[in-house]
Amino acid sequence: DAGVTQSPTHLIKTRGQQVTLRCSPKSGHDTVSWYQQALGQGPQFIFQYYEEEERQRGNFPDRFSGHQFPNYSSELNVNALLLGDSALYLCASSSSGGATEFFGPGTRLTVL
Amino acid sequence: EDQVTQSPEALRLQEGESSSLNCSYTVSGLRGLFWYRQDPGKGPEFLFTLYSAGEEKEKERLKATLTKKESFLHITAPKPEDSATYLCAVQGEGKLIFGQGTELSVKP
Repeated sequence: DAGVTQSPTHLIKTRGQQVTLRCSPKSGHDTVSWYQQALGQGPQFIFQYYEEEERQRGNFPDRFSGHQFPNYSSELNVNALLLGDSALYLCASSSSGGATEFFGPGTRLTVL
Repeated sequence: EDQVTQSPEALRLQEGESSSLNCSYTVSGLRGLFWYRQDPGKGPEFLFTLYSAGEEKEKERLKATLTKKESFLHITAPKPEDSATYLCAVQGEGKLIFGQGTELSVKP
């Protein structure tokens, strides 16, 4: 049973560029959430997707956008990158009837 | 406003020295309280979900308990491989709210 997978593992970008991160949920899960984790901090909720729509959003600017595909996989897009966007980006999946979220290994984004 | 506070921020133990980590929370309509373990540079690994006050769950050397205002993660006779950051999170209306974590170091 495959768990949550994310790609790429690491990414280096420069200020002003755009980035796309990808996530495949755990088998049987239909809900995907994205989190940003700065060094030494707990994860911060960005948004959640269910049935290909954004269901809930945290306190992040519109530069952060996402998408969910019919196979439940998801993308996180960040435009006009800032130095402060450097962080570990985590994807988590859950089933619509359950509360527990399972996390992927994360994508480490560095903005220079 | 939903909030989670973990203490201590860091904890150093000798192998075999039992201790507890604290997670205090305020949330509107608790749907669940979660404990995760996170190794450096990795994603959080799920440990426990607690749903109501008085509930307890155990896994190997770990035991999680829940009251109406806080949760404890008890570590009995820890080993060096238990060294990690332990994250607590609550779910109110859909999203998880995390604490900043407790960094546990267990020395042999």
